[in-house]
Amino acid sequence: EAGVVQSPRYKIIEKKQPVAFWCNPISGHNTLYWYRQNLGQGPELLIRYENEEAVDDSQLPKDRFSAERLKGVDSTLKIQPAELGDSAVYLCASSPGTGANVLTFGAGSRLTVL
Amino acid sequence: AQKVTQAQTEISVVEKEDVTLDCVYETRDTTYYLFWYKQPPSGELVFLIRRNSFDEQNEISGRYSWNFQKSTSSFNFTITASQVVDSAVYFCALSGGMTTDSWGKFQFGAGTQVVVTP
Repeated sequence: EAGVVQSPRYKIIEKKQPVAFWCNPISGHNTLYWYRQNLGQGPELLIRYENEEAVDDSQLPKDRFSAERLKGVDSTLKIQPAELGDSAVYLCASSPGTGANVLTFGAGSRLTVL
Repeated sequence: AQKVTQAQTEISVVEKEDVTLDCVYETRDTTYYLFWYKQPPSGELVFLIRRNSFDEQNEISGRYSWNFQKSTSSFNFTITASQVVDSAVYFCALSGGMTTDSWGKFQFGAGTQVVVTP
């Protein structure tokens, strides 16, 4: 069974440029999470989806970040425009359902903003 | 609000030594779940264990063992006879139970870097 697939693995951009990250969760996993992990810190939730509905986006900086999960499968996280402080690893995770189910993480997308 | 504290930033050991990682949590929920994840240099977080708040039995899995103490709000993790392959960052995480507002929300600690040298 394929795991959570993320792309790109690495991205280097100039500040003020846009960037997008893509995530394909495990087949059948209804819940999808986007986390941001800054260097030396634990993952911090950006947004959680139940199928195609964003059920928790309270931590998403909506002025520059957006996300979508069309058809309740793949998801895209976009930053426009990027700032220096957005440099981090963006992790996607999925689970069969909300709650105590185990999160399965992708390898992450490392963003460097110059 | 939920909080997970991993006070140890980095632990260095020589191969075959035991290493214990501390995790202290705060929650107002009466039901909750605790987790440990491993993040090797490749970057992907790997699930190790899940424990619910009603089960205080310690658990052993190979060289890994976990000590859950509700009285001290701790969920510590011990690697026995460490190996170089154990070198990674280890995260403790907390999620609320099904009947709580924290259901589906995972709060991670800052992580502990374990370095095992030959």
